[in-house]
Amino acid sequence: DQQVKQNSPSLSVQEGRISILNCDYTNSMFDYFLWYKKYPAEGPTFLISISSIKDKNEDGRFTVFLNKSAKHLSLHIVPSQPGDSAVYFCAASGTAGAAGNKLTFGGGTRVLVKP
Amino acid sequence: DGGITQSPKYLFRKEGQNVTLSCEQNLNHDAMYWYRQDPGQGLRLIYYSQIVNDFQKGDIAEGYSVSREKKESFPLTVTSAQKNPTAFYLCASSTARGVGTQYFGPGTRLTVL
Repeated sequence: DQQVKQNSPSLSVQEGRISILNCDYTNSMFDYFLWYKKYPAEGPTFLISISSIKDKNEDGRFTVFLNKSAKHLSLHIVPSQPGDSAVYFCAASGTAGAAGNKLTFGGGTRVLVKP
Repeated sequence: DGGITQSPKYLFRKEGQNVTLSCEQNLNHDAMYWYRQDPGQGLRLIYYSQIVNDFQKGDIAEGYSVSREKKESFPLTVTSAQKNPTAFYLCASSTARGVGTQYFGPGTRLTVL
């Protein structure tokens, strides 16, 4: 049972336009969400995170939106650049109990930014 | 420079052999994690440790073993009991208190021939 889902396996966008990546979760105990970027044969790099007490967090070209009622979050990249071409993973965590910082990852969305 | 190192980058082993993957961090993080990534899939948690001399099974622990004798080190052994050991293995670390970001190493690609 996938608790974190990224339903779009791939996304193609023109350079300079907006990339919108989506992520849905089912576990209502999740209260901290992260986005990672990953190049082939490398470890994921942390991009941006959001706590459930917020509905938006922005860092430069990256903005994450959280809709708790819909159990949905999205990552907006604007403007998109060729170097943004990578696989993006959504991850979720709950704060309580022994699980601590255990993260549950979505399956990833491959983004291709065309020059 | 602070960071997480994994060695080697590529590893080849014959079927039936145990193999140990190294993970070291100098970020002074309490918690460390091992994930596995298969082609076209997300990361799945194998084992994690929130403190020295303690560790817990993740979602796919069968066929793997770990130790946490030092804060800086969290080696993963892939045993011959693991049915499909060929994969990309990622180690991560984080602060253990509350929620926190996990930082990843560069990964080890294990191929079992």
